[in-house]
Amino acid sequence: QVQLMQSGAEVKKPGASVRVFCKTSGYTFTSYSVHWVRQAPGQGLEWMGVINPNGENTIYAQKFQGRISVKSDMSTSTVYVELSSLRSEDTAVYFCARDFYDRGFDYWGQGTLVTVSS
Amino acid sequence: EIVLTQSPATLSLSPGERATFSCRASQSIGSGLAWYQQKPGQAPRLLIYDSSNRATGVPATFSGSGSGTDFTLTISSLEPEDFAVYYCQQRSYWRFGQGTRLEIK
Repeated sequence: QVQLMQSGAEVKKPGASVRVFCKTSGYTFTSYSVHWVRQAPGQGLEWMGVINPNGENTIYAQKFQGRISVKSDMSTSTVYVELSSLRSEDTAVYFCARDFYDRGFDYWGQGTLVTVSS
Repeated sequence: EIVLTQSPATLSLSPGERATFSCRASQSIGSGLAWYQQKPGQAPRLLIYDSSNRATGVPATFSGSGSGTDFTLTISSLEPEDFAVYYCQQRSYWRFGQGTRLEIK
């Protein structure tokens, strides 16, 4: 079965960077793009970025340009997002999600809480 | 930038009633709209894609319609497990609406 398993919760200080990992299984990794979405406490869903199946192309939301990087490792079927220059407003649950042929996100990771606090 | 506006912000209904959610795009997006359900502490679940197609395993009580700028998600008869937050999403930069909370009346 398709699974996206994310790494555990992180606590970071303002100005630091964080990496959140998403290990996929149960499908052909190189056939689907993977997105990152975050959700601040009590707030809605915010799309952050996407990486295409072969890992050669990324698209980022303008809001995060310059401090986001999404990479993939085909050898381990893993995608990760790195967000730098963290501030308190980056405290959120971060989700990875599989792209369903540009029609929506059909499988999601369980979410990773990132807390930014001094 | 295309903005999605969902209404109402909160919908208060009872089990067995019909629920109707609205999502309006700031400019035409054809049929490129998806709907999600999210329960507390869980990841979102894809319900509808391409405006009107039910995702795998989604009950027939859920239906979607619309094209261009106006879209609707309908739950024909509410079950207790349907009370959650619902989001719409467009294909253009995969942006989401702000969500509609469906609560028990």
